[in-house]
This record gives sequence, C-alpha cells and structure tokens, in this order.
Amino acid sequence: EAQVTQNPRYLITVTGKKLTVTCSQNMNHEYMSWYRQDPGLGLRQIYYSMNVEVTDKGDVPEGYKVSRKEKRNFPLILESPSPNQTSLYFCASSSRTGRSYNEQFFGPGTRLTVL
Amino acid sequence: KQEVTQIPAALSVPEGENLVLNCSFTDSAIYNLQWFRQDPGKGLTSLLLIQSSQREQTSGRLNASLDKSSGRSTLYIAASQPGDSATYLCAVNTGFQKLVFGTGTRLLVSP
Repeated sequence: EAQVTQNPRYLITVTGKKLTVTCSQNMNHEYMSWYRQDPGLGLRQIYYSMNVEVTDKGDVPEGYKVSRKEKRNFPLILESPSPNQTSLYFCASSSRTGRSYNEQFFGPGTRLTVL
Repeated sequence: KQEVTQIPAALSVPEGENLVLNCSFTDSAIYNLQWFRQDPGKGLTSLLLIQSSQREQTSGRLNASLDKSSGRSTLYIAASQPGDSATYLCAVNTGFQKLVFGTGTRLLVSP
C-alpha cells in the first residue's frame, strides 16, 4: 500500500531536549516536505526537499533541521525544542511528471507537546 | 506573498443538500490547486487535484473548478451525506511542491 508514515504519532517532551520525528514514503517520490498545523494559522511549510541531499527552507524553518540522505526518508530534527513548537506536524511526499506537479500525499501527523 | 482564503469558515446543512465551498487566492501564478479533507485528529486526504491548465476535475459526488485568472476555486459536493462531515482545505502549489493552505471550511451534515 502506498503511504507516508511518521513516527512517533504523539510526543510530549521538555524544553531543550533534542528530538527527531521520522518520515518515510514507499512511493519513490522525489519531493518531500514538512508542515506544521496550528489553530487559526492553518498549515505552513517548514522545509522541503527536491531529492536526495537537496533541501531548502519553507516559510517557518526557525528551530528546525532536516536531512535527506535516502530518497524514502526525510526526518525532522528539533535540536532544542521550545514551547512555541508545540504543534501538529505533517510530512508529505509527491512526484513530478514532466512540467506538472502531481498530488501530494500526507502522513497521519505527529502531535508534539513541548513543556 | 500568496494568501489563500476559504469561505465560509463553517457550514451546517441537512443531509441530501448540494453545497459549494469556496477558495480564493491572491496570486494567479500557481502550478496546481489541491482540495483535501481532514477529519478531527487525522491526517489530510487528497480529494482532487486541478492543474493550472485545467478548468475542473470530478471524482464521484465531488467536482472542483478552477478559474486561475480570477484566483478562485470551488468544490461542489452533490447530495451531501453525514459521512462528508469534516474540514475541507484547499491549497495552491506555488512551485517546488510548496503548498499554501487556506484555513479550511468545517462542514457538518446532519441526518
């Protein structure tokens, strides 16, 4: 089954304790992204990757890091989490056909609480 | 800067009614527009994708239209059912698969 998986699904942590949220897709997609969803603000892109070793900042990259060492994986790293990073996080993947971008598939989400 | 607005923010209808959800965007330089459904506490399910060169797409009881020049899209749901209750999000692709989302329309369909 084609899917995007994220782990963990729920996480409660404390300020300053480094954490990693994993994302994996089995569709051989070249594009992957991270979004955060906050009430009243909607979903906003944090980082995206166009392929292995190619990443770039989205709209809200401060406090986050990413890496793309393998095509299927795109982990999100919070080196020193703060309470304002409490949010619902989504990973997405997609592909391109010629000059057209195809639909994006989203993971189930990771609800992060930073105390 | 691209901004996406969805109206109404919430909608309550009786079962069986046909309804229209609206999405507007400020910059017509988009690659495509995607409609999603989000159930409470769940992820996003893709409903329809309209490429910038297309005018509409249909899937079952859903029909989405796109007027890129005026910065508008509509999602038409025919014969609504209680199972259609969810939040509907539209998002425009501004390049490199960056989606800019609206804040959604929360739909409740009553039996």
